[in-house]
Amino acid sequence: GDSVTQMEGPVTLSEEAFLTINCTYTATGYPSLFWYVQYPGEGLQLLLKATKADDKGSNKGFEATYRKETTSFHLEKGSVQVSDSAVYFCALLRTGANNLFFGTGTRLTVIP
Amino acid sequence: DAGVTQSPTHLIKTRGQQVTLRCSPKSGHDTVSWYQQALGQGPQFIFQYYEEEERQRGNFPDRFSGHQFPNYSSELNVNALLLGDSALYLCASSLSPTGDGALFFGEGSRLTVL
Repeated sequence: GDSVTQMEGPVTLSEEAFLTINCTYTATGYPSLFWYVQYPGEGLQLLLKATKADDKGSNKGFEATYRKETTSFHLEKGSVQVSDSAVYFCALLRTGANNLFFGTGTRLTVIP
Repeated sequence: DAGVTQSPTHLIKTRGQQVTLRCSPKSGHDTVSWYQQALGQGPQFIFQYYEEEERQRGNFPDRFSGHQFPNYSSELNVNALLLGDSALYLCASSLSPTGDGALFFGEGSRLTVL
């Protein structure tokens, strides 16, 4: 069945450090891939997405590239800020389906 | 423009009781999905409503049921509550049932079952 595996957290970084959160997936066909973010006290928000192999999604300085050969969609940011502290979820949408499969989430804390 | 609103934000029930959670979708959205997020886990899909009908269902027992009203708002009902039903229940809305995965989520209703 479909599944998403995220790197376990929590992750603690100093401000301006480089961020990578790993995500790999298992799915039939060609799913669309997403990163959602959950800031403290807020609902889940779509951060970025990619719908086909080699696509790069980007938003707010974050980016992730859809790698079909390694079934991965790792999230990266070159310089994190305190305001990036949140829980990040990788998710997939199987072709023809209309529900998301989420990973378990990775909590990021950025310290000044 | 109001986003997705859910009520109540927190509630406590005892085993065997029934609960109803409510959701108003983002303005202009006609499709509502419900997800269960257990502590430390990612959200799991419960079901989706469109045109007042359940369109797709995840791996949840029949104790979980729902409804969508003509104004697109939705309710999630859980009967015969179990301790394991304690979780954050998320409502998400979208422009259509065959969406592109771009869901708008509410802040959730946190249910504690004692």
